[in-house]
Amino acid sequence: GAVVSQHPSWVICKSGTSVKIECRSLDFQATTMFWYRQFPKQSLMLMATSNEGSKATYEQGVEKDKFLINHASLTLSTLTVTSAHPEDSSFYICSARVAGPSTDTQYFGPGTRLTVL
Amino acid sequence: AQSVTQPDIHITVSEGASLELRCNYSYGATPYLFWYVQSPGQGLQLLLKYFSGDTLVQGIKGFEAEFKRSQSSFNLRKPSVHWSDAAEYFCAVVSRGSARQLTFGSGTQLTVLP
Repeated sequence: GAVVSQHPSWVICKSGTSVKIECRSLDFQATTMFWYRQFPKQSLMLMATSNEGSKATYEQGVEKDKFLINHASLTLSTLTVTSAHPEDSSFYICSARVAGPSTDTQYFGPGTRLTVL
Repeated sequence: AQSVTQPDIHITVSEGASLELRCNYSYGATPYLFWYVQSPGQGLQLLLKYFSGDTLVQGIKGFEAEFKRSQSSFNLRKPSVHWSDAAEYFCAVVSRGSARQLTFGSGTQLTVLP
């Protein structure tokens, strides 16, 4: 149980184009999903919190107009990198949260490698 | 300030040897505690977690971790390491307060020698 998928697993695009990454919780519902970015040899950096049915909450320094997040259902969140540039090249990882009165666990997707030429 | 510290950036052990990865946290109250593992180019896999109760937690792949309140530590252990355990290991915490944000340590890279 608690499987999270991401699609695509890797993508190469030209500078100026937009790229959409999907994050799905396959066997559970998640009212909250998270998007992280990871640079080589570094830990994960939280970009934004995606809440089903409401606007995402972005971390300081993350451009909300560049990284569009939509949480359309309890099993799907999407991250769209708009007008991508080479500096946006990175490894993007999503997670889906299972939470309750005495539990709070994030399950992670396999990640999406974005390369912008 | 709240923080999670993994003091060892890189650890090398021989296959079959025991392993201990260190994790310390600095929070006002005991947070929820996690260990994740990441293989190259992959996402994070949850190894184990501690919320309450027994301070020795068993996880997948033969890993265990012990919560020590007095030391604010949650060290990960495995009695006999396999070559397939080579990966990056992240300790992470979630505050029990309203923020509920997952905070990661900087990670420990494990190399396993044949």
